[in-house]
Amino acid sequence: EAGVVQSPRYKIIEKKQPVAFWCNPISGHNTLYWYLQNLGQGPELLIRYENEEAVDDSQLPKDRFSAERLKGVDSTLKIQPAELGDSAVYLCASSLTGANEQFFGPGTRLTVL
Amino acid sequence: GEDVEQSLFLSVREGDSSVINCTYTDSSSTYLYWYKQEPGAGLQLLTYIFSNMDMKQDQRLTVLLNKKDKHLSLRIADTQTGDSAIYFCAESLSGNTGKLIFGQGTTLQVKP
Repeated sequence: EAGVVQSPRYKIIEKKQPVAFWCNPISGHNTLYWYLQNLGQGPELLIRYENEEAVDDSQLPKDRFSAERLKGVDSTLKIQPAELGDSAVYLCASSLTGANEQFFGPGTRLTVL
Repeated sequence: GEDVEQSLFLSVREGDSSVINCTYTDSSSTYLYWYKQEPGAGLQLLTYIFSNMDMKQDQRLTVLLNKKDKHLSLRIADTQTGDSAIYFCAESLSGNTGKLIFGQGTTLQVKP
């Protein structure tokens, strides 16, 4: 069974540029999460989807971050414009609805210059 | 508020046991988790324990939970060089399905 797929794995951009990350969850997993992991820190939840509905986006900085999961499967996370402080690893995870186990993708490492 | 604390670094010799500790503040935690992260990789779920349990064993891994002291530990028996990684403790909160609060991670270094 394929795991959570994320692309790109690495992205380097200049500040003020837009950037987008893509996530394909494990087949059948209705719940999808985007996490931010700063260097030397644990992941922090940005947004959680149940199917196509964002049920918890309280930690998403909505002035520059947006996310979508239009058909309840794949999801994209966008930053526009990127700032130097956005350099981090962006992790996607998925789970069955109500399940205890979240399965993580390898992450996208973003560097903003 | 919710907070999870871990020591930052642990070094052991191959074949020894490793014990990684974690404390948390929210008494309403329902499940507590241990994740492993190798360089450049995502997080791999190692094990988890329900808050009404005090111990769980899975092969070389033993999880101990002291709910009174809000203390969680992960013991790795016969530690191998392949166990070198960052280990994250996390809690999930009742009434907030799916949200995990992570500690800052403990780097385990296994010396041959």
